[in-house]
Amino acid sequence: DTGVSQNPRHKITKRGQNVTFRCDPISEHNRLYWYRQTLGQGPEFLTYFQNEAQLEKSRLLSDRFSAERPKGSFSTLEIQRTEQGDSAMYLCASSLISGGHGYTFGSGTRLTVV
Amino acid sequence: GENVEQHPSTLSVQEGDSAVIKCTYSDSASNYFPWYKQELGKRPQLIIDIRSNVGEKKDQRIAVTLNKTAKHFSLHITETQPEDSAVYFCAASVIYEKLTFGTGTRLTIIP
Repeated sequence: DTGVSQNPRHKITKRGQNVTFRCDPISEHNRLYWYRQTLGQGPEFLTYFQNEAQLEKSRLLSDRFSAERPKGSFSTLEIQRTEQGDSAMYLCASSLISGGHGYTFGSGTRLTVV
Repeated sequence: GENVEQHPSTLSVQEGDSAVIKCTYSDSASNYFPWYKQELGKRPQLIIDIRSNVGEKKDQRIAVTLNKTAKHFSLHITETQPEDSAVYFCAASVIYEKLTFGTGTRLTIIP
């Protein structure tokens, strides 16, 4: 499967705990994006990378959120001291500049904070 | 930053009829306008996209039109089928930068 892969698919955590999600993009894609989607809403931009460089981070993103793409391949998104408001679907997407094929989304990680 | 508005929020059409969903954007620098279909619990799937150098694009029963002057673009689905029922999102971006999504349209096809 050459699609965007996200793990885990589901995560239930207690408030205050830290969680980390992983995204494996399509292998030749050099850009990787993180979005958050709550029920009934469109995906909301969080951050994106070109190779290992983080190019933009949403001003809405609290300091509890951090993302890395250390070798320009997979990426991790960590949420520290989770809050109930963090419950959402976290979507990863990737693209290839000049590829002409737009963005490909993964199936997401559904986070529930209890 | 970019702001995308989408209407209507819900749309019900009889099977076989056409459906139209409209979006407006604010940033004149945006040059890429994709449409995504999302079924419950699944990933957004690209159904059609258009770049700012094109006014219309068609793929079988689906078409998208773009009016750069007015900053709006629309999705047209003809001969609707039950499997077209889903939530549809428009989005806008400078291509390969961040996508800004609309709030979605829940389309229901009535058999």
